[in-house]
Amino acid sequence: QQQVKQSPQSLIVQKGGISIINCAYENTAFDYFPWYQQFPGKGPALLIAIRPDVSEKKEGRFTISFNKSAKQFSLHIMDSQPGDSATYFCAASISGLWLTFGKGTLLTVNP
Amino acid sequence: DTGVSQNPRHKITKRGQNVTFRCDPISEHNRLYWYRQTLGQGPEFLTYFQNEAQLEKSRLLSDRFSAERPKGSFSTLEIQRTEQGDSAMYLCASRLADGYGYTFGSGTRLTVV
Repeated sequence: QQQVKQSPQSLIVQKGGISIINCAYENTAFDYFPWYQQFPGKGPALLIAIRPDVSEKKEGRFTISFNKSAKQFSLHIMDSQPGDSATYFCAASISGLWLTFGKGTLLTVNP
Repeated sequence: DTGVSQNPRHKITKRGQNVTFRCDPISEHNRLYWYRQTLGQGPEFLTYFQNEAQLEKSRLLSDRFSAERPKGSFSTLEIQRTEQGDSAMYLCASRLADGYGYTFGSGTRLTVV
């Protein structure tokens, strides 16, 4: 049972464009929703996270939009840059126990 | 102390051999997690510790796997009688028990031949 479903599997965006990655979850007990960025050969690094009491959180070029009723959340990367090319994972956890990850989205930003 | 350290970075072993990985978390982090990541997939939770106590084990953690955190500092993950299906990246993460910010190490890539 996949508790966090992520789409698309891969995404190609032109430099300066907006990258949008979506996730849907099933377990309503999830109360923490982070996004991670992973480069080849490296561990995941936290980008931005949100709790379900807010609908949007912005940090620099990265924004999380959260829809509690639809059980969906998304990552928007504004002004995408070639250096943003990486694999992005959404995740969720219950009361800070352990993270359940989506399958990842490979983002390629063309110069 | 700049992050979570994992050793070795790469391990190639023959099927049937035992392997052990080490994780040194951020020193003030009392929670330590092990995840497994296969190619093209997200990390999957294996087990976690609060200080030296192992509080949860995933069904993915078969009897061939054992993890320890003897003094509540570093942790080891041992795989006995390795199988080709054990080939993966093994990731360690740590955080404060009363926080949410997980910090991941760079992982140990295991290849079983």
